[in-house]
Amino acid sequence: EAQVTQNPRYLITVTGKKLTVTCSQNMNHEYMSWYRQDPGLGLRQIYYSMNVEVTDKGDVPEGYKVSRKEKRNFPLILESPSPNQTSLYFCASSLSSVGYEQYFGPGTRLTVT
Amino acid sequence: QKEVEQDPGPLSVPEGAIVSLNCTYSNSAFQYFMWYRQYSRKGPELLMYTYSSGNKEDGRFTAQVDKSSKYISLFIRDSQPSDSATYLCASYTGGFKTIFGAGTRLFVKA
Repeated sequence: EAQVTQNPRYLITVTGKKLTVTCSQNMNHEYMSWYRQDPGLGLRQIYYSMNVEVTDKGDVPEGYKVSRKEKRNFPLILESPSPNQTSLYFCASSLSSVGYEQYFGPGTRLTVT
Repeated sequence: QKEVEQDPGPLSVPEGAIVSLNCTYSNSAFQYFMWYRQYSRKGPELLMYTYSSGNKEDGRFTAQVDKSSKYISLFIRDSQPSDSATYLCASYTGGFKTIFGAGTRLFVKA
């Protein structure tokens, strides 16, 4: 089954404790992206990657890091999480370089206390 | 001003009603316009997309773009309880950048 998977699905952590949210897709897509979704603000892009070892900032990259060492994986790293990073996070992938048809993962709900 | 504006609702309609969901956008460079549907506790899924102006129909769903007024619409005919979800409009202008609206919550009552 073609899909984007994320782990963990739910995470509660404390301020300053480094964490990684994994994302993996089995569709051989080149383009992958991370979004956060907050009430009233919709989905906002954090980082995106056009291919292995090629990443770039989205609209809200502060406090986040990403890496793309393999085509299928695109982990999101929070080096020192803060409460304002409490949000619902989605990973997405797209075959097309145009990027309008994106496949989203199930989401990771992160709470930072 | 947000680049894509969408009324968050909620919008509640009886089963069988015609639903109209709308967005406005500010950037004339936007070329692709998409509608995503998001069920509770799920990730968004692409419903339809259109390129430039015009209409596109897929079953009970019709997407409409009016570039002169920068208006994006999604019409749902014969709405069903299974259509209850949050609908996100989005625009793509290139450079791997997609701008999403805040989403409209739709409830279809049986």
